[in-house]
Amino acid sequence: GEDVEQSLFLSVREGDSSVINCTYTDSSSTYLYWYKQEPGAGLQLLTYIFSNMDMKQDQRLTVLLNKKDKHLSLRIADTQTGDSAIYFCAESMRNQGGKLIFGQGTELSVKP
Amino acid sequence: DTEVTQTPKHLVMGMTNKKSLKCEQHMGHRAMYWYKQKAKKPPELMFVYSYEKLSINESVPSRFSPECPNSSLLNLHLHALQPEDSALYLCASSEGRNTEAFFGQGTRLTVV
Repeated sequence: GEDVEQSLFLSVREGDSSVINCTYTDSSSTYLYWYKQEPGAGLQLLTYIFSNMDMKQDQRLTVLLNKKDKHLSLRIADTQTGDSAIYFCAESMRNQGGKLIFGQGTELSVKP
Repeated sequence: DTEVTQTPKHLVMGMTNKKSLKCEQHMGHRAMYWYKQKAKKPPELMFVYSYEKLSINESVPSRFSPECPNSSLLNLHLHALQPEDSALYLCASSEGRNTEAFFGQGTRLTVV
């Protein structure tokens, strides 16, 4: 079945690291994505990881994938107030024409 | 250039009106998508076009009619909508059906 789960809220202090977690159920996923959505805006692709990778680092962002446990995480180093937004993880379904299944989104609040 | 452009940004329409949402990309992507997003919820897939042909319709009511005039453009024609159709409508494109998708800023639709 298709199900992607995330915790709904995360609050951190400016300068700390943020870790947003996601679990998914479909082992046939090809790509797993992290999108950022600021209020009133569209979705910004932050990063993605192919399902045969364990880790991907891109500047302040680190994505970890545990395929055995179907667990994906996004770490944001040195979190800034501008990082406050909703973060969605999503999986791309191999046999469903590129359909993205999104988690519920984690609202990240960064306090100065 | 990873830009997907949607117009208009905001639209208010009556239940008897006919209107269209437009989406444009010039990245040479061959897959284009319409998603619907209600407040505080993740996006939900409506339609997928692949090589200008409709490949997925997620059982969307016929009052929503997609059109792909060419490989760069995607329209969503709206007719006889209901107030519950009010939402953010997001367009996305990807190089292929299982590659990373880039989203536009969305059209905020209000049906009165």
